[in-house]
Amino acid sequence: GQQVQQSPASLVLQEGENAELQCNFSSTATQLQWFYQSPGGSLVSLLSNPSGTKHTGRLTSTTVTKERRSSLHISSSQTTDSGTYLCAIDLGGNEKITFGAGTKLTIKP
Amino acid sequence: GGIITQTPKFLIGQEGQKLTLKCQQNFNHDTMYWYRQDSGKGLRLIYYSITENDLQKGDLSEGYDASREKKSSFSLTVTSAQKNEMAVFLCASSPWTGASAETLYFGSGTRLTVL
Repeated sequence: GQQVQQSPASLVLQEGENAELQCNFSSTATQLQWFYQSPGGSLVSLLSNPSGTKHTGRLTSTTVTKERRSSLHISSSQTTDSGTYLCAIDLGGNEKITFGAGTKLTIKP
Repeated sequence: GGIITQTPKFLIGQEGQKLTLKCQQNFNHDTMYWYRQDSGKGLRLIYYSITENDLQKGDLSEGYDASREKKSSFSLTVTSAQKNEMAVFLCASSPWTGASAETLYFGSGTRLTVL
């Protein structure tokens, strides 16, 4: 089965609402990374969070390592937040980076 | 800052055709990657290269060839395009072998459609 599962697959919100994205993984990860992919664009790294809670701007990630799950919270969403959010885990060694299928987020004005 | 440039941005081919995708990076990174992204699936690694003229197979290498002609460029060849195939091919680079996901830098992708 898939080593990284993300939910929901898609999420539609009104501007100003908060978004909560989930990532569950089936193997012990040495690293966990959240990426943002703009519509039709490249991936950019948002933040790295192998354990605990990290904040950057309106983003908060909480990873519970022993439960093999991570969440990404986007507060006060904006239309420019629309895109796909991907979770990736690192099992050790660059060839072992495994990506989830992503959550497609749409923020309506 | 650096940039990864993928060409072409859109590629339309015929069934059975050999198609080549190109990637250039000016980060001076050692390691380069090719990933395939299908709708509803995560990125899957096709090939990677840790230095010039090196090639390493990923999970999805069958049906593809790759070439690392020089440190800054990494090309991918679809050896025989499959009808109705649609995917985005993403090139990435990282500074060194064994670097983690947080040091991956991606290009904007090549969208392949096979008629």
